[in-house]
Amino acid sequence: DQQVKQNSPSLSVQEGRISILNCDYTNSMFDYFLWYKKYPAEGPTFLISISSIKDKNEDGRFTVFLNKSAKHLSLHIVPSQPGDSAVYFCAAETYTSGTYKYIFGTGTRLKVLA
Amino acid sequence: GAGVSQSPRYKVAKRGQDVALRCDPISGHVSLFWYQQALGQGPEFLTYFQNEAQLDKSGLPSDRFFAERPEGSVSTLKIQRTQQEDSAVYLCASRPGPPQETQYFGPGTRLLVL
Repeated sequence: DQQVKQNSPSLSVQEGRISILNCDYTNSMFDYFLWYKKYPAEGPTFLISISSIKDKNEDGRFTVFLNKSAKHLSLHIVPSQPGDSAVYFCAAETYTSGTYKYIFGTGTRLKVLA
Repeated sequence: GAGVSQSPRYKVAKRGQDVALRCDPISGHVSLFWYQQALGQGPEFLTYFQNEAQLDKSGLPSDRFFAERPEGSVSTLKIQRTQQEDSAVYLCASRPGPPQETQYFGPGTRLLVL
């Protein structure tokens, strides 16, 4: 029972164009969502986050959109650069009884073509 | 400044052998998380510490898995009588503390059980 799903295992985009990575979730109690970027042989690196009370958060080339009614969020990267090529993980945070827990999707491998 | 470090980076174990994986979090970080990442999957939560207290161990797959953080800094994940299905990357992450703040991941320990 996967509570956070990334249905596209891979995505290829031309340099300079927009990359859109999608994530769906099932639990309406999630209160915070995060995107991480991962290069081979390294741990995930935090990219951008959004609170469940917002519908958009922007940081430079990265924007995350949250659609609570559809239980869907997306990460937009504009313009895409070759250095953005990595695996991107969507994660959801819950806080229950004093405990934080993060549930990750399976990741989307982004390849930006020069 | 130093990030999260993990050792060893790679570990090959024979089935039935015990292993110990170490995590050095960022100094002063209150929260520490362990994750297991199987090939092609996202990180899966194992356990969470706040200082030396293990507040959540619901993700530990069996009683062969044990984690500790006795002085609220360095943590060790121990796996007894390793099985082939334990082969994965084990990631450690630390966070300064509440309120919501990003996790900082280590590079992971890749465990291969033969």
